[in-house]
Amino acid sequence: RKEVEQDPGPFNVPEGATVAFNCTYSNSASQSFFWYRQDCRKEPKLLMSVYSSGNEDGRFTAQLNRASQYISLLIRDSKLSDSATYLCVVNNNNDMRFGAGTRLTVKP
Amino acid sequence: EPEVTQTPSHQVTQMGQEVILRCVPISNHLYFYWYRQILGQKVEFLVSFYNNEISEKSEIFDDQFSVERPDGSNFTLKIRSTKLEDSAMYFCASGSLNTGELFFGEGSRLTVL
Repeated sequence: RKEVEQDPGPFNVPEGATVAFNCTYSNSASQSFFWYRQDCRKEPKLLMSVYSSGNEDGRFTAQLNRASQYISLLIRDSKLSDSATYLCVVNNNNDMRFGAGTRLTVKP
Repeated sequence: EPEVTQTPSHQVTQMGQEVILRCVPISNHLYFYWYRQILGQKVEFLVSFYNNEISEKSEIFDDQFSVERPDGSNFTLKIRSTKLEDSAMYFCASGSLNTGELFFGEGSRLTVL
């Protein structure tokens, strides 16, 4: 089983759509979790941390289910500028591992 | 805002040559990382560095690779004898203990001919 596994995508959605990405991780001892965004040929940048209670940042909602070792990201009212690759990142003792990423394209 | 800087932004080299990629992490960070991303593929972990020594390395990080923090500010990745398959974008990242968040440099693109 891969350390961090994500929906392969690509997701092609119209503007205004709601889209959800899923991620599973294999190491039950992992301590913290993140979603990063990567634009084409650019470095990854933190989108949001993921907390056990779930957290929201504007149109973005992240959820963590430790029992199922599952993380999700929900994007509501998607914008053209949301087009990017979304990377699930799992931290175990400062050993940060990335999923392969899910490519999102938002179309007019 | 503090940032991670990497040089060079692009290097072209001949197969078999040595390459050194340089990074200046954020000054109060304690953890340093190198990742690579082959064009169109995932971000792959190479190595993490803490307290002046390697803390984790992946199977990609073989004897051809080494890292150093020679002067307390720079963090370098050396590839001793480059192969064609080393062509990739190499990202340096640093992080603090508190948040677990990583800050990435803009990357160094390595092209091996």
